[in-house]
Amino acid sequence: EPEVTQTPSHQVTQMGQEVILRCVPISNHLYFYWYRQILGQKVEFLVSFYNNEISEKSEIFDDQFSVERPDGSNFTLKIRSTKLEDSAMYFCASSDQGATPSMNTEAFFGQGTRLTVV
Amino acid sequence: AQSVTQPDIHITVSEGASLELRCNYSYGATPYLFWYVQSPGQGLQLLLKYFSGDTLVQGIKGFEAEFKRSQSSFNLRKPSVHWSDAAEYFCAVGFIRDTGRRALTFGSGTRLQVQP
Repeated sequence: EPEVTQTPSHQVTQMGQEVILRCVPISNHLYFYWYRQILGQKVEFLVSFYNNEISEKSEIFDDQFSVERPDGSNFTLKIRSTKLEDSAMYFCASSDQGATPSMNTEAFFGQGTRLTVV
Repeated sequence: AQSVTQPDIHITVSEGASLELRCNYSYGATPYLFWYVQSPGQGLQLLLKYFSGDTLVQGIKGFEAEFKRSQSSFNLRKPSVHWSDAAEYFCAVGFIRDTGRRALTFGSGTRLQVQP
C-alpha cells in the first residue's frame, strides 16, 4: 500500500539553527501539505503546495518557514532559525486532487517528525 | 468559520466495553467529516469519513460513526474496545476555503486509555 514517508522521525536542534524536514509523498499525488501538532494541542494546518508553488498558508507559516519540492519525489519544510516554540510533531500529507479541488479525496499522512528545539 | 470540538480530553474504558467519542462541528455548508487515529509514535491514520449518503459510516478496526446534522455531531463508536485501541483520536472537518482550496480543521483530540 502506498504511503507517505517522513525523515527523520526525531530531530533535536539548537535554538537558532536551521532544520529541514523531509517528506516523500505518494508518487501520483498532486497536492502536498504540512501540519504541525504542538504537544498536547490540536493538529494545525501550516501550508499546502500544488504545481510547485504554495497554494495556501496559515498565519503560523511566517517568513521563518519555507517549502520546496527539490525533485520529483521529495517535499521539504525548512525552518530557518528555530525557536523553542517550534518544538512540535510535524506531519506531511499528500492527496490526489485534480484541478478542481474536491472533498471526495483523502489526504494521506506520514508518521510525523518530532522536532525538539533546545 | 469552521471549528471542531472534542469535549472529552481523556477517556478510560475497560477492555471489552463499548466506546463513544464525541465530536461536534461548526460549518456553514455541507460538512465533510473524518476521524483519524494516532497511535503512540505513529502518524495519523484515517479511520473513516463521511461525505454524503448513509449517515452511519463504517470504518477500519471495527469503528463506526454517525453523522447527525441536527446535532452537528459526528460521534465515533466501537461496540467492544481492544487494548490495541489505546491511542489519540482526532475528529476533523474538511472545508473549502474562500480561494477554492481545501483544508482540514482538526479537533484537539481525545486520548483513549484501555484498562485490562
